[in-house]
Amino acid sequence: EVQLVESGGGLVQPGWSLRLSCTASGFTLDDYAMHWVRQVPGRGLEWVSSISWNSGSVAYADSVKGRFTISRDNARNSLYLRMNSLAAEDTALYYCAKDIARSSWRYFDHWGLGTLVTVSS
Amino acid sequence: ESVLTQSPGTLSLFPGERATLSCRASQNIRNNYLAWYQQKPGQAPRLLIYGASNRATGISDRFSGSGSGTDFTLTISRLEPEDFAVYYCQQYGSAPPITFGQGTRLEIE
Repeated sequence: EVQLVESGGGLVQPGWSLRLSCTASGFTLDDYAMHWVRQVPGRGLEWVSSISWNSGSVAYADSVKGRFTISRDNARNSLYLRMNSLAAEDTALYYCAKDIARSSWRYFDHWGLGTLVTVSS
Repeated sequence: ESVLTQSPGTLSLFPGERATLSCRASQNIRNNYLAWYQQKPGQAPRLLIYGASNRATGISDRFSGSGSGTDFTLTISRLEPEDFAVYYCQQYGSAPPITFGQGTRLEIE
């Protein structure tokens, strides 16, 4: 059974940094591209970042470009999101999602339950 | 960037009725690379449809997707109580960026 478990969220002050992790099980991580998608509670879904199976290709939403860094460690079955210079508008539930493809961005057939990031002074 | 606009924002129907949800793109979606997701309160989104019309594994045949180019539809025939949720469309034809519609809330009348 495919499982994605996010961790690392919490309450931080504006300007601080945070690193989210996603631990994958039930499938071979390096066979798939992976993504981060966020959702402000009560609002819609927003794509944040994507990474290909071998980290050769990455992509970011304009809203996080230059501040967030996506990475992965296939040997550790893990996906990461380093978030710097956090602002109130980054407050959201962050989901880890599995693509159906290896190197291109397609759609998400499995999602984690999310980890909540709250940016507030 | 392809902007997706979903309508209506909220749809109120009775169980047993048919639901028709729309997703319109600001530009042609290459290869009809459009997916639909269902999200219930407190849960992660669940993939329903990919490639505009292909049902994901384990999805009831009451769910069907159609459309091409810029206009896409998710149809749910014979609504069951568990179908009342928020539905999102997502395009991957011109990614990055991947974009989502703003969602349609399907509520019980």
